[in-house]
Amino acid sequence: LAKTTQPISMDSYEGQEVNITCSHNNIATNDYITWYQQFPSQGPRFIIQGYKTKVTNEVASLFIPADRKSSTLSLPRVSLSDTAVYYCSPGAQKLVFGQGTRLTINP
Amino acid sequence: SQTIHQWPATLVQPVGSPLSLECTVEGTSNPNLYWYRQAAGRGLQLLFYSVGIGQISSEVPQNLSASRPQDRQFILSSKKLLLSDSGFYLCAWRAGGGNTIYFGEGSWLTVV
Repeated sequence: LAKTTQPISMDSYEGQEVNITCSHNNIATNDYITWYQQFPSQGPRFIIQGYKTKVTNEVASLFIPADRKSSTLSLPRVSLSDTAVYYCSPGAQKLVFGQGTRLTINP
Repeated sequence: SQTIHQWPATLVQPVGSPLSLECTVEGTSNPNLYWYRQAAGRGLQLLFYSVGIGQISSEVPQNLSASRPQDRQFILSSKKLLLSDSGFYLCAWRAGGGNTIYFGEGSWLTVV
């Protein structure tokens, strides 16, 4: 199973762009990379998923380099409501989550 | 659309008592099902996953067991709870050919 490493915490301010990078050095060939957002006392919620290069949706972008050993979640113009824990999860059948990144957005 | 439900939402149990958390998925067939645990302020730990009825894979040997008596039903059990079993338990599902898992609302278990 691919083990992940993310920063434990990050701080930013409203309106800024936030980039969270996750390393997954032993990712398998058929693994997709999925990012989740979790608020306290709730289950994680899907944000974005990709396999390689760049993926963009209405809430975020995901950048994956050619070697796929890392990925970067980009949140444009964050707001206070983006304060949460963010997990990257490479995998297919079994999805493993690391400790996540606790993102705090300040006014 | 697909939905997932788990219950009870909160539970306070004495040490040594049994446990049963139930999870059901609606709107899909033959999903992969998962049980995760999250200790306070910690990450998600995969406990069990199932690819079909009666097929259970255990990721971490411990005081818990899982069963899948029906296609869309996943049950987490314990015969005797330990204090260390306290935490936030999450059921999740994934379509058989998909790459995204979807989580339930979670169940808070406090063992006293």
